[in-house]
Amino acid sequence: DAMVIQNPRYQVTQFGKPVTLSCSQTLNHNVMYWYQQKSSQAPKLLFHYYDKDFNNEADTPDNFQSRRPNTSFCFLDIRSPGLGDAAMYLCATSRDLPGASSGANVLTFGAGSRLTVL
Amino acid sequence: AQSVSQHNHHVILSEAASLELGCNYSYGGTVNLFWYVQYPGQHLQLLLKYFSGDPLVKGIKGFEAEFIKSKFSFNLRKPSVQWSDTAEYFCAASWGKLQFGAGTQVVVTP
Repeated sequence: DAMVIQNPRYQVTQFGKPVTLSCSQTLNHNVMYWYQQKSSQAPKLLFHYYDKDFNNEADTPDNFQSRRPNTSFCFLDIRSPGLGDAAMYLCATSRDLPGASSGANVLTFGAGSRLTVL
Repeated sequence: AQSVSQHNHHVILSEAASLELGCNYSYGGTVNLFWYVQYPGQHLQLLLKYFSGDPLVKGIKGFEAEFIKSKFSFNLRKPSVQWSDTAEYFCAASWGKLQFGAGTQVVVTP
């Protein structure tokens, strides 16, 4: 019944070695988000897609990229991971954008991918 | 800049005690408010939400929250907690994007 599925759940990489995290959804939601969550901190929005439109947060480092080849899948690429990029990466979806009315902007989260950088 | 602040980072209480977690947001316009919960080893899930109407909203597992517009607050409450309520609780607000507070780690002891 999992609706937002993230893979892998745990990823270990070496400093500077590219890594890709994947997210898939069965909800047919228009919006897909990537959040970074470090220990004891709030999830921080990196970027989101509304359909095919990509929206990057102003303070997201260039090291982080994303692809959404179709409605169901979204990828997070970290081109050269540093030690400071070790975190939990959360994928989420919503039917519509935050700010939309009623329940269309409620986010559904995946279980997360925990990235360790050695 | 818009922000969401949670008053406590850690709360420890005994079973059957009452819980209240504070949340304030800084935005003068229309805002949607949420509480999410993250149980150990699990994903974030929605506890309750407020969009409009009755400022007292009820969520899952006996939780409720009250929106007080004049205080820019959306505090979460539960009259009697259980050990299974041990989790991290995040307040969030959306005004174009969803912004989370730093979270409150709640530990309920038997």
